[in-house]
Amino acid sequence: DTGVSQDPRHKITKRGQNVTFRCDPISEHNRLYWYRQTLGQGPEFLTYFQNEAQLEKSRLLSDRFSAERPKGSFSTLEIQRTEQGDSAMYLCASSLTPGGAVHTDTQYFGPGTRLTVL
Amino acid sequence: RKEVEQDPGPFNVPEGATVAFNCTYSNSASQSFFWYRQDCRKEPKLLMSVYSSGNEDGRFTAQLNRASQYISLLIRDSKLSDSATYLCVVSEGADGLTFGKGTHLIIQP
Repeated sequence: DTGVSQDPRHKITKRGQNVTFRCDPISEHNRLYWYRQTLGQGPEFLTYFQNEAQLEKSRLLSDRFSAERPKGSFSTLEIQRTEQGDSAMYLCASSLTPGGAVHTDTQYFGPGTRLTVL
Repeated sequence: RKEVEQDPGPFNVPEGATVAFNCTYSNSASQSFFWYRQDCRKEPKLLMSVYSSGNEDGRFTAQLNRASQYISLLIRDSKLSDSATYLCVVSEGADGLTFGKGTHLIIQP
């Protein structure tokens, strides 16, 4: 399967713990996005990378959240001191974009990591 | 504040019928428009991009009205497999994609 993969698929943690999720984009896709989706809502943009550079961060991304894409391939999203409000599906997407700021190219989503904070 | 508004439904439609959804967006500077489909507990998948001239893909037709800032999706001859949540998506050139909450469609046999 050469699609976007995410690991783990499910994570249950206690409030106050740190969690880290991984996303492997489609090979050679230069852009990687993180979104969060809660029940009954559409996905909400968190941040995106062009290669290894983090170019945009949503105001939803509090200082407890950090994302990295050190080699321009896979990415990690870490949440420190988790809160119950962090419970959501965390979706990763990737795209192949020639350049520019406009997100016009098709984004391919991974299956998501479902986080439950107790 | 950027907003994409959709009727959440559910739309209960008999198999074979035609169904249409609308979506409105608040930012007149929005540049790209899409419809994504999301099945229950699955990831969103691109259904089709939406162009100013309108576009059609089989049973699906998408229209964009920039003056009124709305996007539509028409599904003809609906199939049971069309049951899903349809997400209206707008790109404004920054902050990734902005998704609506989705319209839930149920095709009934």
